[in-house]
Amino acid sequence: EAGVAQSPRYKIIEKRQSVAFWCNPISGHATLYWYQQILGQGPKLLIQFQNNGVVDDSQLPKDRFSAERLKGVDSTLKIQPAKLEDSAVYLCASSLRGTFVEKLFFGSGTQLSVL
Amino acid sequence: DQQVKQNSPSLSVQEGRISILNCDYTNSMFDYFLWYKKYPAEGPTFLISISSIKDKNEDGRFTVFLNKSAKHLSLHIVPSQPGDSAVYFCAASGGGTSYGKLTFGQGTILTVHP
Repeated sequence: EAGVAQSPRYKIIEKRQSVAFWCNPISGHATLYWYQQILGQGPKLLIQFQNNGVVDDSQLPKDRFSAERLKGVDSTLKIQPAKLEDSAVYLCASSLRGTFVEKLFFGSGTQLSVL
Repeated sequence: DQQVKQNSPSLSVQEGRISILNCDYTNSMFDYFLWYKKYPAEGPTFLISISSIKDKNEDGRFTVFLNKSAKHLSLHIVPSQPGDSAVYFCAASGGGTSYGKLTFGQGTILTVHP
């Protein structure tokens, strides 16, 4: 079974530039999550999709971050414009239904450095 | 406001001995707890979980204990192996938030020496 795929693996940009990350969840998984992990901290949920609808985006900085999940499969997370404090690993995860507590399957993440 | 805390940034143990990783939480509405393991350059992988209606759950060498009155959980690894060296995150779910919204601790780096 293929895991959660993310790209790019690494990205270095200057502040005020824009960046986009892509995620392909495990086939058949209805729920997709984007987590942000800052160095030395645990992952923090940014946004959760159920199929192509947003379930929770309460911790997404909506003035600069946006995310979409077209057709309920792939997802893209965008930052525009980036700030220094956005330097982090962005993890995508998926789960089968999201209707009860179930284990999440994480991708390897995209490491973003904002200079 | 850190609702899930892992106060030990690192732990070093000898191969074959017991590893005990600790986690404290403040939100009494949390009703499900999970442990994830993370190797460098990889995403976290699920290890073991426990519901708040239980106080212990075992899976092979891994056992999680939950003390609800103390708002404390621990992960025991017996016996520890060098391949267990990784970052361990405790996570909690519930409290009226959406399923899948896990609140993670900061992580504990476990090093198992041969």
